[in-house]
Order: sequence, then C-alpha cells, then structure tokens
Amino acid sequence: GQNIDQPTEMTATEGAIVQINCTYQTSGFNGLFWYQQHAGEAPTFLSYNVLDGLEEKGRFSSFLSRSKGYSYLLLKELQMKDSASYLCAVRDYTNAGKSTFGDGTTLTVKP
Amino acid sequence: DVKVTQSSRYLVKRTGEKVFLECVQDMDHENMFWYRQDPGLGLRLIYFSYDVKMKEKGDIPEGYSVSREKKERFSLILESASTNQTSMYLCASSFIKGNTEAFFGQGTRLTVV
Repeated sequence: GQNIDQPTEMTATEGAIVQINCTYQTSGFNGLFWYQQHAGEAPTFLSYNVLDGLEEKGRFSSFLSRSKGYSYLLLKELQMKDSASYLCAVRDYTNAGKSTFGDGTTLTVKP
Repeated sequence: DVKVTQSSRYLVKRTGEKVFLECVQDMDHENMFWYRQDPGLGLRLIYFSYDVKMKEKGDIPEGYSVSREKKERFSLILESASTNQTSMYLCASSFIKGNTEAFFGQGTRLTVV
C-alpha cells in the first residue's frame, strides 16, 4: 500500500517563495505527481518526477528523492491566484498506473 | 483540447435510489478512475479500469459498482444511495504507461437526502 503525508495548511505572502513537502511510503514507486486544485474546480497537473532531482517549470519546481521517499513543490514569486490546494500523488508500478493522493495542502497567499 | 466530461455538475437524490454517474473522455486513454473527495479526507479512489470490461477495486469500493462497456465511457453506480455517500465525485483518465498525468472531469456534487 501507500502512505502519503503533506501539511494540511500553509500561508505565505505575495511575491515570496513557499515550499510544500510530501513524504511517501510505497511498495512500487513509479512516479510522483503534483496537482493544483482551486476551490470548486477539478485538479490540474503541475509536475511529474520519476528520477531524483529538480524539475523546473517557470515559477514552479518539483524535487524528488526516492531514497528518502520525499518530494517538494517550490512556488516562486507567489501570486494571489496561487491560493489553492496542492495535491501530491504517487503512482504505483504494480497497478496499471493507479495513483494514490495525499490529502492536499491548502495554500493561502496574502497581500 | 483534452476533455473529461461528467454528466452532471450537481445532483440531488433520495436515500435508497439507484444513482448513475457518467464520465466520458475523448483522449483514447486506457485508464479511467472514479474518486470521491471529502473535506479533510482528500481524494479517495473508489474504482478504476485499465481496459474495456475490466475493473479493479480502489480503497473504498463498498456501496459502489462500475461499468466500462466502451473505452471512452466509465460509469459509477450507487446501488442504493445513502446519506454518507453525499460527496464530490471526480472522474479521471490517463494513459496506462509512462509519465502521463491524469486529466479530471469537472466533478459531480452529489447530495443524498
């Protein structure tokens, strides 16, 4: 099975940098995804990591350490529209690409 | 533009009714998923399917069944709706291999009264 932990809530200031952590335990790791979900909307894909290291995509970066079962999502130059829930999801190698989601981190960006 | 479409955005049903939630994707994805999302509990997988007529139980299948007669369509069935099934239901689809993300429908907020 899989166990995924991320903080429930975070608050940051517009223009700042925030790091959202995710730790996981899995028997068959096959990739880690980050999704963004605005209130009342569907989750949308942000990033994917399968190898150790940093993936950068504009203001968003995601890091993975497979040996530590750890990932983080880094958001730079925060904007008010970044206020949302951020979901960490781990894909299972053994189950046809099924992903298990963490409970999500609700980020509030303040002026 | 990729699309996952759920048949209803909001639905109100009575306890004991049989409820059908429909999901259609136009991306030729092999995988399709049904999740429910509740405050404080995150996204929980109910059922998924990796091929036509194939289905696998997720983490919380009790009280639900699914049907996948065509590749593009995945239906979630509540055999006898109960108030504890009041929730947001999200359908998703993805390719079966590789670094491919899931695409989600807009969600169906189901209220059972």
